[in-house]
Amino acid sequence: DAEITQSPRHKITETGRQVTLACHQTWNHNNMFWYRQDLGHGLRLIHYSYGVHDTNKGEVSDGYSVSRSNTEDLPLTLESAASSQTSVYFCASSGGLAVEQYFGPGTRLTVT
Amino acid sequence: AQRVTQPEKLLSVFKGAPVELKCNYSYSGSPELFWYVQYSRQRLQLLLRHISRESIKGFTADLNKGETSFHLKKPFAQEEDSAMYYCALSGVDSSYKLIFGSGTRLLVRP
Repeated sequence: DAEITQSPRHKITETGRQVTLACHQTWNHNNMFWYRQDLGHGLRLIHYSYGVHDTNKGEVSDGYSVSRSNTEDLPLTLESAASSQTSVYFCASSGGLAVEQYFGPGTRLTVT
Repeated sequence: AQRVTQPEKLLSVFKGAPVELKCNYSYSGSPELFWYVQYSRQRLQLLLRHISRESIKGFTADLNKGETSFHLKKPFAQEEDSAMYYCALSGVDSSYKLIFGSGTRLLVRP
């Protein structure tokens, strides 16, 4: 069955370290998104991509980067982790003309 | 700016009581609106979208363009409805992005 996965599911890292969160989907969706989920803020868009080699900044992109080298993967990199980036990160994808997004299981990141 | 507002952070009701989760949006174009649900320790999943006008798990939502609202309703709440509910807006700038509200936690007490 087609699905969207994220790894790792839990990560603890230290301030200043570079961290990469993986997102992989097997639906062959063109559109992929990264959100962070924080209490009181709901889900906020970090970066998104509409296809290979396409990336766009979202609402809260500072300190994050993405690259899209194939259809299936959109890794999210925290260049220099900060405590303010402690959060739960969700990846999502959508395909064709549909705007309905399918979400991954999330990655809980703690920056100490 | 486009915005989705969910005024209640927490809604607590007893089993069998009616439920209404409020959602208001600001967007001058033709919106597409969704409700997503996140059960404890699970991923977000689509509950319903306004264009399908369907009822999922007993929930319904009607788009009211005059009041710019998309409230989620259920006549008789069940304990298994306890979850986090997010209202989301799409169609902004002809993009595929979703703009989410801050979410409402529904707690259904026995």
